[in-house]
Amino acid sequence: QQQVKQSPQSLIVQKGGISIINCAYENTAFDYFPWYQQFPGKGPALLIAIRPDVSEKKEGRFTISFNKSAKQFSLHIMDSQPGDSATYFCAASMPQAGTALIFGKGTTLSVSS
Amino acid sequence: NAGVMQNPRHLVRRRGQEARLRCSPMKGHSHVYWYRQLPEEGLKFMVYLQKENIIDESGMPKERFSAEFPKEGPSILRIQQVVRGDSAAYFCASSRTSGRYQETQYFGPGTRLLVL
Repeated sequence: QQQVKQSPQSLIVQKGGISIINCAYENTAFDYFPWYQQFPGKGPALLIAIRPDVSEKKEGRFTISFNKSAKQFSLHIMDSQPGDSATYFCAASMPQAGTALIFGKGTTLSVSS
Repeated sequence: NAGVMQNPRHLVRRRGQEARLRCSPMKGHSHVYWYRQLPEEGLKFMVYLQKENIIDESGMPKERFSAEFPKEGPSILRIQQVVRGDSAAYFCASSRTSGRYQETQYFGPGTRLLVL
């Protein structure tokens, strides 16, 4: 019940295309859903995060869509660029301060020019 | 405004040796988390600490691993008698003192541990 399942494992998108990464969770007590971006040899960096009181959050070219009833959330990257090539992790946590993030296994995105 | 700092960035140890990984949280942050990342895997939570207290160590292996966050100085993750299976990237994250709700966790660059 603590798992977060992420798909696809890898993704190749043409420059200018839309990248879509999906995650599903089981624990209905999860209340905070961040996405992290990680470049090789670096630590994960927060990209965007959502709480279940909204169904969508947009920041620049990045959008999170959240479906509470289906227990699913997704990351959309519009107008994908070669610089977006990285590994993306979804995560979930309980609402209380100081709780662990439960991560998906990651999606390696390659944007071809 | 420095981010989360970790050192060393790379650490090579032989089986049976000890590994000490250090983490300095962002300025103003008093919550520290340690995660481990195995190849082709996501990050797995190990332990959550506040100054001088271990709050949640549910992800920490019961033996050989310990963590501390003293009143002064960095947080330290200590692995005794390392084995090859300990080879991984270890990430520290920090968040600020918060009220009731989850705050953003900011990650350091990680320490890549290789056990020969």
